[in-house]
Amino acid sequence: DTEVTQTPKHLVMGMTNKKSLKCEQHMGHRAMYWYKQKAKKPPELMFVYSYEKLSINESVPSRFSPECPNSSLLNLHLHALQPEDSALYLCASSQVGVRGEQYFGPGTRLTVT
Amino acid sequence: KQEVTQIPAALSVPEGENLVLNCSFTDSAIYNLQWFRQDPGKGLTSLLLIQSSQREQTSGRLNASLDKSSGRSTLYIAASQPGDSATYLCAGLIKAAGNKLTFGGGTRVLVKP
Repeated sequence: DTEVTQTPKHLVMGMTNKKSLKCEQHMGHRAMYWYKQKAKKPPELMFVYSYEKLSINESVPSRFSPECPNSSLLNLHLHALQPEDSALYLCASSQVGVRGEQYFGPGTRLTVT
Repeated sequence: KQEVTQIPAALSVPEGENLVLNCSFTDSAIYNLQWFRQDPGKGLTSLLLIQSSQREQTSGRLNASLDKSSGRSTLYIAASQPGDSATYLCAGLIKAAGNKLTFGGGTRVLVKP
């Protein structure tokens, strides 16, 4: 099974709302990632978790708060977002180390109104 | 800044023609290079992963090569079909980029029936 699942598929939220994105994998991968992708652009890395610990934060605003409660789950908590945060949010996972292939989920399409 | 470049940005071919997609990178200290396919509004599907010690990988109609000395990777898709229409992204895991995937801008492919 090489599947990464993400919920919800679509999310519309106001600037004062709090919402969460969820990502799950059962491939035994211990590295998990959040990416943001704007239209017609490549994905941009936001966060990396390695062995359930945050290892990379690409200077992401604090209105995005990641969480890795266990080795299979990755959450992204959203609060007080701006319209420019509207994008496709992609989760990925891989083995830890430099030889691992990254597997991506289908993404959550987020619209901030 | 480590860069990954894909030229052309868009490509249109008649069905049955072989596709040749190019990816260039500025640093030969690359751990691996991954090719992805992305359909509009969807996540990334991993097509092929080439480790730095390998010269090529093959899967069905797909063949990807890696030449570290010239900083190039090429994805060949034989006998293209309309279903191959998508955006193709290459991404390198480059040591100088902090062991993070660095994406090219993608090539949008249209296969005309």
